[in-house]
Amino acid sequence: QKEVEQDPGPLSVPEGAIVSLNCTYSNSAFQYFMWYRQYSRKGPELLMYTYSSGNKEDGRFTAQVDKSSKYISLFIRDSQPSDSATYLCAITNFGNEKLTFGTGTRLTIIP
Amino acid sequence: GAVVSQHPSRVICKSGTSVKIECRSLDFQATTMFWYRQFPKQSLMLMATSNEGSKATYEQGVEKDKFLINHASLTLSTLTVTSAHPEDSSFYICSATPTSGYRDQYFGPGTRLLVL
Repeated sequence: QKEVEQDPGPLSVPEGAIVSLNCTYSNSAFQYFMWYRQYSRKGPELLMYTYSSGNKEDGRFTAQVDKSSKYISLFIRDSQPSDSATYLCAITNFGNEKLTFGTGTRLTIIP
Repeated sequence: GAVVSQHPSRVICKSGTSVKIECRSLDFQATTMFWYRQFPKQSLMLMATSNEGSKATYEQGVEKDKFLINHASLTLSTLTVTSAHPEDSSFYICSATPTSGYRDQYFGPGTRLLVL
């Protein structure tokens, strides 16, 4: 079993829709959760991070963590064509060890 | 701020040759730099961690004699793929952090290597 599982997609949704991206993880020691956005042929850029269960909101983006289920989500409201990218979750523990990445979900927003 | 550059962005080489990839932190001093490899539809896999002035720490399964890493200054790290083979074709991404932590990484734009 992989430490972090993420559906690779691809996922296509119409502009304006709410997007839900998800990851599951197996190691309960993981405490720090991040979402990165990666445009084609570019490096990842950090979107959001959180270290507790619950929701964290930043503009149109909401990160959600459910530690009891080992499940994390990223929601994108009012999706725009510019949101088309690959979204990767990354997880680490409080000991600040190396990041474990999901495979990434390729998202396309259709105008 | 926190910009990391990589050069070249793309390289095509013949099998058996060596290729050098540069990673630079443009507006901060990077205590630690990381090198990742990303195959199509796969996650980023950490290859090695380098600290300025010391030997790199390689992840299990990564051949240190094949992937030479030099972190000569606080703003520059290089990865040299020696005697490259077609299976080394991949997307190589570096990241840098102003601290020593994994959580504060800024990623470069990546280098696409194609070995013929």
